[in-house]
Amino acid sequence: AQSVTQPDIHITVSEGASLELRCNYSYGATPYLFWYVQSPGQGLQLLLKYFSGDTLVQGIKGFEAEFKRSQSSFNLRKPSVHWSDAAEYFCAVGTGGGNKLTFGTGTQLKVEL
Amino acid sequence: EAGVTQSPTHLIKTRGQQATLRCSPISGHTSVYWYQQALGLGLQFLLWYDEGEERNRGNFPPRFSGRQFPNYSSELNVNALELEDSALYLCASSGQTHTRQGNEQFFGPGTRLTVL
Repeated sequence: AQSVTQPDIHITVSEGASLELRCNYSYGATPYLFWYVQSPGQGLQLLLKYFSGDTLVQGIKGFEAEFKRSQSSFNLRKPSVHWSDAAEYFCAVGTGGGNKLTFGTGTQLKVEL
Repeated sequence: EAGVTQSPTHLIKTRGQQATLRCSPISGHTSVYWYQQALGLGLQFLLWYDEGEERNRGNFPPRFSGRQFPNYSSELNVNALELEDSALYLCASSGQTHTRQGNEQFFGPGTRLTVL
């Protein structure tokens, strides 16, 4: 069975600083990987996805993520954080052919002005 | 293009009652997924419907059930409500599962269920 670990429960960064959110996955085959963002009381918005090919993927809102098979990681990055980026971020893994996504426990991002 | 819609936004029930939650997928999507987001338990997969059939089920008791209609909208029913069923219930949809788009799930805003 697949699993996802997000080791950081809370992260605080200053506005304008760079950001990296960590995600490690466990899955026997090539995974489908996703990052979602959730604002308080809202649903999940897809930031970016990795299916295959180029290991550096670009997403919306200036986010990017890099798939590293050797480290089983899919870390999310942003060069300069904006106050509106404050939210909870979830990493997820899928197995293809539809079916469920397995989510990490989330990282709560706080942005200091 | 309209996204995934869910109704109602909020639902308040008492223990033992039944709750019905509804979801309309993105136009053209044939798969609907239900997830529960309870405080302290994270996002847990509940059910997956595709082309009107239940394809997979998470580790939840049988009192959680649902169905998918011919127009691909879906309903989640929770019978004999318990206090711990209080959560945000999220619905997602995806395209045909044999396509690349079938692996990408788009979420609705959720239904907040409170059980008193």
